[in-house]
Parts: sequence; structure tokens; C-alpha cells
Amino acid sequence: QQPVQSPQAVILREGEDAVINCSSSKALYSVHWYRQKHGEAPVFLMILLKGGEQKGHDKISASFNEKKQQSSLYLTASQLSYSGTYFCGTDRDDKIIFGKGTRLHILP
Amino acid sequence: EAGVVQSPRYKIIEKKQPVAFWCNPISGHNTLYWYLQNLGQGPELLIRYENEEAVDDSQLPKDRFSAERLKGVDSTLKIQPAELGDSAVYLCASSWERDSEQYFGPGTRLTVT
Repeated sequence: QQPVQSPQAVILREGEDAVINCSSSKALYSVHWYRQKHGEAPVFLMILLKGGEQKGHDKISASFNEKKQQSSLYLTASQLSYSGTYFCGTDRDDKIIFGKGTRLHILP
Repeated sequence: EAGVVQSPRYKIIEKKQPVAFWCNPISGHNTLYWYLQNLGQGPELLIRYENEEAVDDSQLPKDRFSAERLKGVDSTLKIQPAELGDSAVYLCASSWERDSEQYFGPGTRLTVT
């Protein structure tokens, strides 16, 4: 079952923070986060494993709440390069299913 | 290190015609994925290979789609015959193993007229 991402889209000014949420109706083994710029391939950001620690990547970090079956991606002091569509992929039953994505647009 | 290579990048065909996509994964990556991505949607898995074995093809429309991964390296995805609804971007990705990060190729944008 496809994870639900929220919000669907967000517009920020450079330097502002953002949170993208990903939730599933079923228990998860792991959550994957990718960013895709227009016309390009998705690029890996991070994987959060069940029972693992919160991970970080520069000013982008994420958490994984196993009980709530959800993950959140935190973008701190956003940069213009953060613009794109963010996808979460939830791993269950040996299959990764991606959400519909959250479109993030950063204004200068 | 070379990334995932896909060809062609663009393909326009008429409905009912066959089409094939080719993917060369990153050297040493055992797991290979084929995804379909429609505009405004996330990638949808079509098939996953572990070496030569197709371990998950439950989402592959087997009446018209076929795939192979010879010698556990390159892979080909074929559609025969193509339908208008097959227009999409077909992405290939590879990873060291199932739970590790996936590296995506640039994709093939298919337009069926």
C-alpha cells in the first residue's frame, strides 16, 4: 500500500525550514528518502531502518517512528539547491513502495 | 565511478509496436530494479533482480512486458505490443543489496502515439 506524503507541495524562502511527512497504514521495516529534480533521476538521501537512529545528511535529517508507522524529513535553513520533489519509499514485505512525492520550491 | 546507464533516452513509437529499453547497472551491484514513473507520481516497481534471478515481478504486466538480466549484469525491458497508456518514464536502478541505497539511471521517456 502506497505511503501518504504531506504536504503535497510547499514553497519556502531560502533559509527557512521545512518538514515533510510520510506515513503508512502498515508496519514498516525501513523508510527511504530520495530527491528528484525536474527531468532528472531520483537521488538517494538516506535510509532509516527499524530500530535505527535518526540520520542526517548535511542540513537534512530524518526520523522514523516505528509505532506510528511514519517518518519525517527535516530540511534546515533551506538552500536553493533543495528544490525538487521528495519521495519517501516504505519497505514492507520485501518491497519498496514510493509515495506520490512532495514538491518543494525554494525562493531566493 | 560510472553511474547507471540507460538507453535510449527518448523513444517515440506508434501503438502496437514493440519497444526495448536497455540498462547497464553500476559495476558490482547485485540488485537491479526497473521502475515506471508517470508524471507527478513516484516510481512504481515493475521488477527486481537479485543477480540473474527475478525475485519480484508481481507488478509486471506479463501479457505485454518482459525483462531479462543476462549474466547478472545488463538488463533489457521489453514491451510488445505497446499501448497508449504505456507512455511514461522507465527508470532503471541498481544497488549493492536490497536494503542499500539505490542509484537511478536517467530514464527512458517513452511516448506511444
